[in-house]
Amino acid sequence: KAGVTQTPRYLIKTRGQQVTLSCSPISGHRSVSWYQQTPGQGLQFLFEYFSETQRNKGNFPGRFSGRQFSNSRSEMNVSTLELGDSALYLCASSFGSVGPGGGYTFGSGTRLTVV
Amino acid sequence: GENVEQHPSTLSVQEGDSAVIKCTYSDSASNYFPWYKQELGKRPQLIIDIRSNVGEKKDQRIAVTLNKTAKHFSLHITETQPEDSAVYFCAARVGASGTYKYIFGTGTRLKVLA
Repeated sequence: KAGVTQTPRYLIKTRGQQVTLSCSPISGHRSVSWYQQTPGQGLQFLFEYFSETQRNKGNFPGRFSGRQFSNSRSEMNVSTLELGDSALYLCASSFGSVGPGGGYTFGSGTRLTVV
Repeated sequence: GENVEQHPSTLSVQEGDSAVIKCTYSDSASNYFPWYKQELGKRPQLIIDIRSNVGEKKDQRIAVTLNKTAKHFSLHITETQPEDSAVYFCAARVGASGTYKYIFGTGTRLKVLA
């Protein structure tokens, strides 16, 4: 079956612009989580969506937002981009709540560069 | 707060030697600890996990140990091979049922020297 698909793979934006990233989970998975990966900081949790509702949120400013559609596809939006937003953005899907037997399947990520 | 510390940040070992990566978590309610391997340019993939009611788990050359009292858990790789070279992330599950999330460590870059 198809894995987690993230688009686009690479993106270059200018400071102040906004960006939208997309994540299509594995068929049947209802939970989509987003992470920011930067060197030295590891993977930092942004938010999780389940059945079109934000179920969990990390400690990121309000410029970072997301949504989930009825087909479980999720989008992440970053407004007023800053240089520090340059990172690999990973999404991960799971059937329900993560844990034993129900772990994440990650996408390949979107590499965002802000110039 | 929720935090996972991971050490070392980089680790170089000779092929055939063992590698150990250590993590410490802060939330005493955490009860599930997965380890992910991320090869260069690829997505993180689950390699092994452990529940809090178990002290050790092995899968071929990989093992994970957990000390709940000290809030430590470690990844052990024996007889390392060049294909083990990657970044390894530990994680702790936090939150309540239905709202779980993972807190990841900052990663360990393992280099296995041939």
